[in-house]
Amino acid sequence: GQNIDQPTEMTATEGAIVQINCTYQTSGFNGLFWYQQHAGEAPTFLSYNVLDGLEEKGRFSSFLSRSKGYSYLLLKELQMKDSASYLCAVRGAGYSTLTFGKGTMLLVSP
Amino acid sequence: DGGITQSPKYLFRKEGQNVTLSCEQNLNHDAMYWYRQDPGQGLRLIYYSQIVNDFQKGDIAEGYSVSREKKESFPLTVTSAQKNPTAFYLCASTEGRDQPQHFGDGTRLSIL
Repeated sequence: GQNIDQPTEMTATEGAIVQINCTYQTSGFNGLFWYQQHAGEAPTFLSYNVLDGLEEKGRFSSFLSRSKGYSYLLLKELQMKDSASYLCAVRGAGYSTLTFGKGTMLLVSP
Repeated sequence: DGGITQSPKYLFRKEGQNVTLSCEQNLNHDAMYWYRQDPGQGLRLIYYSQIVNDFQKGDIAEGYSVSREKKESFPLTVTSAQKNPTAFYLCASTEGRDQPQHFGDGTRLSIL
């Protein structure tokens, strides 16, 4: 089976840095995806990790440790528009499908 | 512009009625997916299709049916057997196994 854990909610201040953690226990591993979802909208792709280490994309970075079953999404220079839900999704042994965590609701305040 | 189109944006179902949600993509993607999202929850997989004329059940397929007669289209029918259909339904597609899934704008289904 697949189990993915993320914190339910986080708060941060505009301009700050926030780290959103994701731990997973899956039968096989073939990659981890991070998505951003604003309320009432579709998820949009942020990052993909399949090997250990850090992937950087502008203000967003994602880290993976396969041995620990752990990933984090790092958001720098927070802006109000970053207030959203952040979904961690793991591709297991089958390659065909993703299993999503319940998401972390991030609230950025002035 | 290439993308995934879901329609309608809002849908209301009467008790005992089947309804069909449309999903069309012009990205030439082989794989397509249907998810259900409930408030405060992640996405749960209903059905997926990796190729035309073939599809597989996801984690919560009971009360739903799909077809994949064309590469571009993957409609989802919510049958009367689905007793709690009120949710946000998302369709997605992907180019390949190392590529991200791209999502349509979703259909919000409610019960009258």
